[in-house]
Amino acid sequence: GIQVEQSPPDLILQEGANSTLRCNFSDSVNNLQWFHQNPWGQLINLFYIPSGTKQNGRLSATTVATERYSLLYISSSQTTDSGVYFCAALSGGYNKLIFGAGTRLAVHP
Amino acid sequence: DTAVSQTPKYLVTQMGNDKSIKCEQNLGHDTMYWYKQDSKKFLKIMFSYNNKELIINETVPNRFSPKSPDKAHLNLHINSLELGDSAVYFCASSPGQGGYGYTFGSGTRLTVV
Repeated sequence: GIQVEQSPPDLILQEGANSTLRCNFSDSVNNLQWFHQNPWGQLINLFYIPSGTKQNGRLSATTVATERYSLLYISSSQTTDSGVYFCAALSGGYNKLIFGAGTRLAVHP
Repeated sequence: DTAVSQTPKYLVTQMGNDKSIKCEQNLGHDTMYWYKQDSKKFLKIMFSYNNKELIINETVPNRFSPKSPDKAHLNLHINSLELGDSAVYFCASSPGQGGYGYTFGSGTRLTVV
């Protein structure tokens, strides 16, 4: 089955810094998603990105499916970016998401 | 207007009790899910229903029983609660094949004492 690995596990940034989060997946996927879990526990869908590059404000994501990785870029980080970032890949025909262990991001003022 | 709503948000109960968590979605999605997030934040699927039919049933103790009265509702009933059941339970929904539009509820934090 699909395995999803994320790095780094933890990241501490000063406000205004840029960062790159990485997600490697073990099998070819036709669906890769990034989620942000904020400090209140809410899971927000950031990107649905099976391949290519997408941008949404200060966040962008790139998936290279042939090389089995995806990157999430956060530019000019803000304290509200703190939380846990998960990537998840779809497994099988029933929309089951396989999550990575997450990257815990803390942005300090 | 909340897209995927779960109740209750917090649940504290004693070992051995039976409890239920309710979930409703107003997105018109066909598929609903239960995920469990453990104390290390690891998220894992438990169940999935498509149009009231159970389609995913992961290796979960049979003390956990999902029920979907219609495609907008998915409830989770847990019998004989154990300490290890303490976790955050997330309901989610998606429109259909491909996983696009996956939307999570705000979670139910279950604490078994």
